[in-house]
Amino acid sequence: EVQLVESGGGLVQPGRSLKLSCLASGFTFSNYGMNWIRQAPGKGLEWVASISSSSSYIYYADTVKGRFTISRDNAKNTLYLQMTSLRSEDTALYYCARLTTEGMRYWGQGVMVTVSS
Amino acid sequence: DIVMTQAPLSVSVTPGESASISCRSSKSLLHSNGITYVYWYLQKPGKSPQLLIYRMSNLASGVPDRFSGSGSETDFTLKISRVEAEDVGIYYCGQLLENPLTFGSGTKLEIK
Repeated sequence: EVQLVESGGGLVQPGRSLKLSCLASGFTFSNYGMNWIRQAPGKGLEWVASISSSSSYIYYADTVKGRFTISRDNAKNTLYLQMTSLRSEDTALYYCARLTTEGMRYWGQGVMVTVSS
Repeated sequence: DIVMTQAPLSVSVTPGESASISCRSSKSLLHSNGITYVYWYLQKPGKSPQLLIYRMSNLASGVPDRFSGSGSETDFTLKISRVEAEDVGIYYCGQLLENPLTFGSGTKLEIK
C-alpha cells in the first residue's frame, strides 16, 4: 500500500525557518517525481514545488522561489521542503504528492504550517 | 502561467441526478504527443484530494464509472452521473502540461 506521511509542521514566527518531511512507503520512491502542494485555510490548492526522481529537475512556484528548497533522499525514501523567511501567507496545510503523467494519484494527509507572531 | 477557470462555483444536486463541472484553460493543454494534460480531483470534507480523471478522459483506479471526463484543447467537462451523497466535496481541475502546475479554484458540490 502506497503511503505518504508528512511531518515537521507547527507554529513558527514570521521570518523563521521550518523543514517539512514526507516519508514514502509502498513503492519504489527513487522512481518517481514528487510534489509539494499547499492549501491555505478555506482556500484552494496551490502547487509549491516539484522534484524529479533523481533530483535533476527542480521547479518552484514564484511565490516561494528563493525562500523554499525541495530536496529528497532516495536512500531514506524521504522528500523534504526547507522553508525559510516564512511569511503569514505561507500558512497552509502542506501535502506531498507523487507525480506521474497519470496525475497526482497519491497524497499524504497533510501537515499544518502556521506562521504567526 | 496557465490559468484554469472553473464553473460554477457551486452546484446543488438531487441524488440520482447528473452534474457537470466545467474547466477552461488559458492555453491549449494538448501536447504534440496527442495527450491532453488535464486532471480532475475531488477533495472530500476534511480529506486529502483524490484523483478522479487523468489525461482528460481516463478514469483513475478505483473511481466509480459514474465519473467521466471529456473536452477539447482548452475546454473540459467533468460529468457525474447518478450523484450520490458520497460525492460531496470540492472538485478541482488541474494541468500538468507545464510548470508552474496550476489548479482551478474549485467547484463545491452539495446534495439537495
